[in-house]
Amino acid sequence: EVQLVESGGGLVKPGGSLRLSCAASGFTFTNAWMSWVRQAPGKGLEWVGRIKSKTDGETTDYAAPVKGRFTISRDDSKNTLYLEMNSLKTEDTAVYYCTTGSTRSSRAFWGQGTLVTVSS
Amino acid sequence: DIVMTQSPLSLPVTLGQPASISCISSQSLVYSDGNTYLNWFQQRPGQSPRRLIYKVSNRDSGVPDRFSGSGSGTDFTLKISRVEAEDVGVYYCMQGTHWPPYTFGQGTKLEIK
Repeated sequence: EVQLVESGGGLVKPGGSLRLSCAASGFTFTNAWMSWVRQAPGKGLEWVGRIKSKTDGETTDYAAPVKGRFTISRDDSKNTLYLEMNSLKTEDTAVYYCTTGSTRSSRAFWGQGTLVTVSS
Repeated sequence: DIVMTQSPLSLPVTLGQPASISCISSQSLVYSDGNTYLNWFQQRPGQSPRRLIYKVSNRDSGVPDRFSGSGSGTDFTLKISRVEAEDVGVYYCMQGTHWPPYTFGQGTKLEIK
């Protein structure tokens, strides 16, 4: 059974930092392109960024609102995806989901999400 | 960025009746490999999104056959042949052709009349 389990969310002050993790199981994580998607309270879905597999160069892409502040990385030895968030703003408040396969694959999986609240 | 425009944004439907959601993209979603990466997601209240349809018209595993997707180029549609109570939620289209970034529609809230 495929599982994606996010963790690391919480309350942080504006300008602060937070690191989210997504533990993956039930599929070959090493080969997977992984993404983060967020959803502000009562709002729609917003793609945050993506990391390719190591064999595809492990390159990353980011949405404009987070570029330069957020960094996506992966540890294939731990089957874990990360989202390092710096210089957080109140508008970064959202549930953050990790997902794989959602854009082009025949199989798509989402985690349950983790809530990040940026407030003073 | 590709803009995905959904309509309607609110969709009250009687149980057992059909429903249809439109999604229009600002550019053609045909990729260089010949595929069209237009996907549909369902998000039930309090749950994570779940993909229903990929590449315009392919149902994901476990998705009831009352859900169908169609369209081409820039114009796409999600249809539910007979709405059931469990279909209540928000539906999003998403393009995976032009990246970065992948982009979602605004969402269509389906409710039972």
